[in-house]
Amino acid sequence: DAKTTQPNSMESNEEEPVHLPCNHSTISGTDYIHWYRQLPSQGPEYVIHGLTSNVNNRMASLAIAEDRKSSTLILHRATLRDAAVYYCILTSYSGAGSYQLTFGKGTKLSVIP
Amino acid sequence: DTGVSQDPRHKITKRGQNVTFRCDPISEHNRLYWYRQTLGQGPEFLTYFQNEAQLEKSRLLSDRFSAERPKGSFSTLEIQRTEQGDSAMYLCASTLNRGEAFFGQGTRLTVV
Repeated sequence: DAKTTQPNSMESNEEEPVHLPCNHSTISGTDYIHWYRQLPSQGPEYVIHGLTSNVNNRMASLAIAEDRKSSTLILHRATLRDAAVYYCILTSYSGAGSYQLTFGKGTKLSVIP
Repeated sequence: DTGVSQDPRHKITKRGQNVTFRCDPISEHNRLYWYRQTLGQGPEFLTYFQNEAQLEKSRLLSDRFSAERPKGSFSTLEIQRTEQGDSAMYLCASTLNRGEAFFGQGTRLTVV
């Protein structure tokens, strides 16, 4: 799987928007960009995914650069419950395979009340 | 609750003992994954089942590890002759084909 680069940690004030960056300069044309997050003492939780176009769901928005070499997860209004480690993961759905998720170390987001 | 459940949540064992963990995936999900996570690291892939067939195993899965998914339903992960280096969180996830992965809360293993 192609590699992603994320900052180790970020801080945000409660009720402010948060932009979590991810670089993936070696992304291939068939790689989807997935974001998962892991709250303390929990298993990872799906947040959002996309291929080329920006995506929105009830949890977050995903902004994908035109060249697809970077993306940004946007939490529109951070709450204390959003404090977690956020993982940016590339997965290719081409061909046969398990479509396993390859996690890096992610970005630890702290939310300040 | 129709999420992924794992049992037990915590397990403390003495070095050299065998342990077995269970994972109950979401009922209609055909794919099941096991991951291992150590402190400060992201989860690492161990093995994958499509229905009852174990189709992929990581090099992390030594001979002391074995996993099964009889009848394509629940899965078990057994570790024989545990070592201190096996101490970790063991996570199970399930998906319906290529859909989003749903993870359980994990089993935390401590080998003393």
